[in-house]
Amino acid sequence: DAGITQSPRYKITETGRQVTLMCHQTWSHSYMFWYRQDLGHGLRLIYYSAAADITDKGEVPDGYVVSRSKTENFPLTLESATRSQTSVYFCASLGGEQFFGPGTRLTVL
Amino acid sequence: GQNIDQPTEMTATEGAIVQINCTYQTSGFNGLFWYQQHAGEAPTFLSYNVLDGLEEKGRFSSFLSRSKGYSYLLLKELQMKDSASYLCAVRDNSNYQLIWGAGTKLIIKP
Repeated sequence: DAGITQSPRYKITETGRQVTLMCHQTWSHSYMFWYRQDLGHGLRLIYYSAAADITDKGEVPDGYVVSRSKTENFPLTLESATRSQTSVYFCASLGGEQFFGPGTRLTVL
Repeated sequence: GQNIDQPTEMTATEGAIVQINCTYQTSGFNGLFWYQQHAGEAPTFLSYNVLDGLEEKGRFSSFLSRSKGYSYLLLKELQMKDSASYLCAVRDNSNYQLIWGAGTKLIIKP
């Protein structure tokens, strides 16, 4: 399917566990982004990538790691999940405007 | 600092007109975006303004005044399906990063 997809859509994990959220886009867009969305804060940028093997920190990068070995994939890893990382995570790619994936709702217990 | 302000919540009546305001203070400006986000879904693009003035797209219009750091989204002939959050975002000089407002939740009543 064309577009941008995320998996899993829902995830429950425990404090201290490692979690990886996947993002895949079929447009070959150069720029990709990871956001978290919490009530009262709007969308906050975690990391972004300008191309394969080029990534940079956004507004709230602590506790997260990204990689981009292929243009179409941009996984986000929580190395040791904390309750404060409970949130909805959106991946986006840039093609004129930003196109968003459907989101991953992550709960850290 | 960089700041984007929108009202937290607005209520309007089906069939009416509503204007959602957005004011911004950013270090650079290279366009302003409006997105719609229904509950539990991803944001979807509505409009883009880079020059002063009004951009009309069906029932939705967006206005920009760069000198005032101000934009509004105008929704006409409101329908129940317009109940959603509306996000204002400014693109700074980087050409790719967006600075996001917290969003305005619009409630439509019959």
